[in-house]
Amino acid sequence: GAGVSQSPSNKVTEKGKDVELRCDPISGHTALYWYRQSLGQGLEFLIYFQGNSAPDKSGLPSDRFSAERTGGSVSTLTIQRTQQEDSAVYLCASSPTGGVRTDTQYFGPGTRLTVL
Amino acid sequence: AQSVTQPDIHITVSEGASLELRCNYSYGATPYLFWYVQSPGQGLQLLLKYFSGDTLVQGIKGFEAEFKRSQSSFNLRKPSVHWSDAAEYFCAVGAGTGGFKTIFGAGTRLFVKA
Repeated sequence: GAGVSQSPSNKVTEKGKDVELRCDPISGHTALYWYRQSLGQGLEFLIYFQGNSAPDKSGLPSDRFSAERTGGSVSTLTIQRTQQEDSAVYLCASSPTGGVRTDTQYFGPGTRLTVL
Repeated sequence: AQSVTQPDIHITVSEGASLELRCNYSYGATPYLFWYVQSPGQGLQLLLKYFSGDTLVQGIKGFEAEFKRSQSSFNLRKPSVHWSDAAEYFCAVGAGTGGFKTIFGAGTRLFVKA
């Protein structure tokens, strides 16, 4: 079956603009995760969804970052007023139930964001 | 605070030689520990994980890792490296309530020479 998909694959934007990044998880997966991978910070956890709710938003770096998930499926990560330090690859992952002991997270190919 | 340290930024190994990638973690409770591999064009993939029980964990692609609580380590090993193993390897710990918040190490890039 299809894996996790993310769109767009690449996004170039100007400083100060808003961007939306989309993640389509594997069908039936209830848990969804967002991560950011950058040269300076490595791989960072951003947010975790169980269904449509986000029990852990502690990784969001500032209030310019927000994420939502609707219908227990697609998720959107929104970055407002982008800054150059937001340039990174944003990775999405999904897992069947969110049970850490039993689940495996399946990662998407990522969206490469460049802020000019 | 929880953290993961991978002391080696990069390692070069000859094909057919054995491999050990080091990982040290800082975590108050019994940790959930993971090793992931990231290859160009392949994305991030789970190699193995540890939660409890047997401290030697077997994973995919012939990898294994050993949890040593006394040393706060979770080193990854492979007895014979193949050229296709060249990639970046990340050690991680599951933190937060339920362990959902994955904290990654900085990664170790593995180069394999013929």
